[in-house]
Amino acid sequence: GENVEQHPSTLSVQEGDSAVIKCTYSDSASNYFPWYKQELGKGPQLIIDIRSNVGEKKDQRIAVTLNKTAKHFSLHITETQPEDSAVYFCAASIVGAQKLVFGQGTRLTINP
Amino acid sequence: NAGVTQTPKFQVLKTGQSMTLQCAQDMNHEYMSWYRQDPGMGLRLIHYSVGAGITDQGEVPNGYNVSRSTTEDFPLRLLSAAPSQTSVYFCASSDRQVTGYEQYFGPGTRLTVT
Repeated sequence: GENVEQHPSTLSVQEGDSAVIKCTYSDSASNYFPWYKQELGKGPQLIIDIRSNVGEKKDQRIAVTLNKTAKHFSLHITETQPEDSAVYFCAASIVGAQKLVFGQGTRLTINP
Repeated sequence: NAGVTQTPKFQVLKTGQSMTLQCAQDMNHEYMSWYRQDPGMGLRLIHYSVGAGITDQGEVPNGYNVSRSTTEDFPLRLLSAAPSQTSVYFCASSDRQVTGYEQYFGPGTRLTVT
């Protein structure tokens, strides 16, 4: 089955700098890659997703890139702000399947 | 819409006790799922359902039972709690029966088994 590895487990950046979180997946058939953000005491919330027919997707300060050949995808956050502090999860699945496999999570801290 | 609701928010059980974690959604979603979140292990799928009367196992189903008698509710039962089941449990729902679409998560239930 699918296995998703996420790095780093913790990341601390200065406010205004960029943050990058990376994930690798094992199943070459996977074609859907969402990113979820979990704020303290809350459930995860989808912030961006990408399908394998595109290599990059942007939404304001966040972007996701996908390299299908290398089987890895990354979340990029630019101009980081204090409200970006949270735990971020990547995930992978096959569109049309019924199971989503998550990475281990990255705790991002933005230092003022 | 209240979205996905979970009760209780916190629970302490003794080893061997049983309990039911409640999950409800008011979005008429067909797909519902249960995850557990443990430090360093991300979110792991326990059970899922693609509609009333239909359930299936996820990655870590042992020790848990589910049923889906209505579209709105998807309770998770622990028949005989063990310390290894200490975790934060999240229920999620989606308006599609398959992955590839947004899942909406509840606020979670923090369970401690002593």
